[in-house]
Amino acid sequence: DTAVSQTPKYLVTQMGNDKSIKCEQNLGHDTMYWYKQDSKKFLKIMFSYNNKELIINETVPNRFSPKSPDKAHLNLHINSLELGDSAVYFCASSQPGWGGTEAFFGQGTRLTVV
Amino acid sequence: GQQLNQSPQSMFIQEGEDVSMNCTSSSIFNTWLWYKQDPGEGPVLLIALYKAGELTSNGRLTAQFGITRKDSFLNISASIPSDVGIYFCAGRLDAGGTSYGKLTFGQGTILTVHP
Repeated sequence: DTAVSQTPKYLVTQMGNDKSIKCEQNLGHDTMYWYKQDSKKFLKIMFSYNNKELIINETVPNRFSPKSPDKAHLNLHINSLELGDSAVYFCASSQPGWGGTEAFFGQGTRLTVV
Repeated sequence: GQQLNQSPQSMFIQEGEDVSMNCTSSSIFNTWLWYKQDPGEGPVLLIALYKAGELTSNGRLTAQFGITRKDSFLNISASIPSDVGIYFCAGRLDAGGTSYGKLTFGQGTILTVHP
C-alpha cells in the first residue's frame, strides 16, 4: 500500500486552464504539505495543513488553493495556469511532535503548462 | 527567509570511493535531515539529526549535526551504483506557529557513481 499517493503523476495542460492534484496519505499523520520542485530541482514548501487547518502559506499566488476535506487528504487546485507553474509538485505528510515521524513524500505530479 | 547552501552541487565518483557533502545555514535549525531522491520519485528520508553535535549512522551513511546548529554533513562510504541520485539536506526550526513542520531544503547534490 502506498503511504502517500498523488494523482495524476503527469499533467499536461494549456495556459489559462484550471487543474487539480489530489493527495491521500494512509499513515495516520496529522500534518500534510505541498512542496514545489522547480527545474533546478529546488524544493520549496507551499502549504502545510494540520488536522485540516491551514498552518503555513508561503506567499503562494492565490491562484493556488489547497483544500483538506479530512486529515488524510490534501488537494491542490490551480486556477488560470501559467507557464511558470510548470514544475513537479510533491505532497508529503508527517506526524510532528515528540515521538513523531518526519515528512514522507509522495511520488510527485509533473505539471507541464504549454 | 532561511537559506541552506549545499555543496558540492554535483559529484562524479568511482564505485568504492567515499563521498562527503555538506550544508550550511545563515541561521540555526533544531533538526537536520538528509533525503535522497531517485529519478521520478519523491525524496526519501535517510537520516534524521535532533541534537547539536549528534553523529548518526545508517549503514554506509554517516551524518552529523553541527555544534553551532548551522551546518550538517553527510558521508557515504564505499559507494555503489545504486547510490546514484540527488541528495538533499533539510532543516527544520520547530518553533511552532508558522514554522510548524516546515522543511527548508538545500539545493541538492547530484551524485553519479561510475562502476
